[in-house]
Amino acid sequence: ILNVEQSPQSLHVQEGDSTNFTCSFPSSNFYALHWYRWETAKSPEALFVMTLNGDEKKKGRISATLNTKEGYSYLYIKGSQPEDSATYLCAFWMDSSYKLIFGSGTRLLVRP
Amino acid sequence: DTAVSQTPKYLVTQMGNDKSIKCEQNLGHDTMYWYKQDSKKFLKIMFSYNNKELIINETVPNRFSPKSPDKAHLNLHINSLELGDSAVYFCASSLEGRRNYGYTFGSGTRLTVV
Repeated sequence: ILNVEQSPQSLHVQEGDSTNFTCSFPSSNFYALHWYRWETAKSPEALFVMTLNGDEKKKGRISATLNTKEGYSYLYIKGSQPEDSATYLCAFWMDSSYKLIFGSGTRLLVRP
Repeated sequence: DTAVSQTPKYLVTQMGNDKSIKCEQNLGHDTMYWYKQDSKKFLKIMFSYNNKELIINETVPNRFSPKSPDKAHLNLHINSLELGDSAVYFCASSLEGRRNYGYTFGSGTRLTVV
């Protein structure tokens, strides 16, 4: 059974705080790691797709790193804003499979 | 304009009924998926089709049957609906084999079985 675990489950921060969350996945047979942003009442939207150990991706104030050897990825948000409030999902794609296995997400609430 | 569209958005039906959810994508993707959001909010893969061919069929009751008339459409038919089928079902699409390509999701269909 493949497990993709995310921590923390939820996070409340003040506007302007920087924050980060973790995604853990199996360290063998790695193919790709996806991060999605899921706002309430909307559909998940792809943030980053990471394929190489050591990858770092950045989009505005959000960035992500990848360590495939130890099986983890971090998502960082610098200077959180209320509009960053959402659930952040990571998903692991194992080599030779055709499917993404999703974690349960980290629910972020940014208070003004 | 909508990239992946699902219909209906909401579906309330009685136990024992048969219902279908439709999904269409206009992105030119060749792979489509059905995910179920379970009670713990996990997105669980149900089915995947690549160019109208079934490539993933997870352990799902055989009351659930996907149908892909062409690579732009993937419908989900559910027979003899049960209370436990109540959930949000998401359709998604992508390009098969492109591991650096994210999925595009529909907005979900909230199914309530009463």
